[in-house]
Amino acid sequence: DAGITQSPRHKVTETGTPVTLRCHQTENHRYMYWYRQDPGHGLRLIHYSYGVKDTDKGEVSDGYSVSRSKTEDFLLTLESATSSQTSVYFCAISVGGGDDTQYFGPGTRLTVL
Amino acid sequence: AQSVAQPEDQVNVAEGNPLTVKCTYSVSGNPYLFWYVQYPNRGLQFLLKYITGDNLVKGSYGFEAEFNKSQTSFHLKKPSALVSDSALYFCAVRAVNTDKLIFGTGTRLQVFP
Repeated sequence: DAGITQSPRHKVTETGTPVTLRCHQTENHRYMYWYRQDPGHGLRLIHYSYGVKDTDKGEVSDGYSVSRSKTEDFLLTLESATSSQTSVYFCAISVGGGDDTQYFGPGTRLTVL
Repeated sequence: AQSVAQPEDQVNVAEGNPLTVKCTYSVSGNPYLFWYVQYPNRGLQFLLKYITGDNLVKGSYGFEAEFNKSQTSFHLKKPSALVSDSALYFCAVRAVNTDKLIFGTGTRLQVFP
């Protein structure tokens, strides 16, 4: 999985609780992405980052925030989880510099009850 | 706006037969096109991409894809399917002047022995 780890791999939480998902990469790639995968929707971009403290919104960013204080870590936070945020979340990296290929982590399955 | 369509939710093929998974796209300017595969409970794995050059792109595991500009298509093909090819396949497109991939909704390939 391209040197990308995600934690936790599975989480069950209750509506209204905060949740933070972590993506960690070992190769200091500049670009990092958070997606969610839902049946019938494919993958949809939540937020992405060009570098430390440089982030931007994606297609489905409402209800999510991100932080990147170190090159290797990209955190996704659900401030107050809702059942509609039950999904599988994937982190991805790209090398940049003209190579647009994205490489994905193993995913986190989040269930919000 | 850019978009990707995968018109078939599922493709069934017998082992040993050729397979095609269809993808059409809409993007202004020249597209960057990608195919990914997802095995159960795994992240997406990069198969191949088209940036420029030869319209026939060869990728991992014996897969290839043909870029057709006039039909705005990028179909994934393999001459002889294996049962182990059974998985979920995603097409994605990136416009030249953006940093983001747009994914199709995915096609489930089922190869029967």
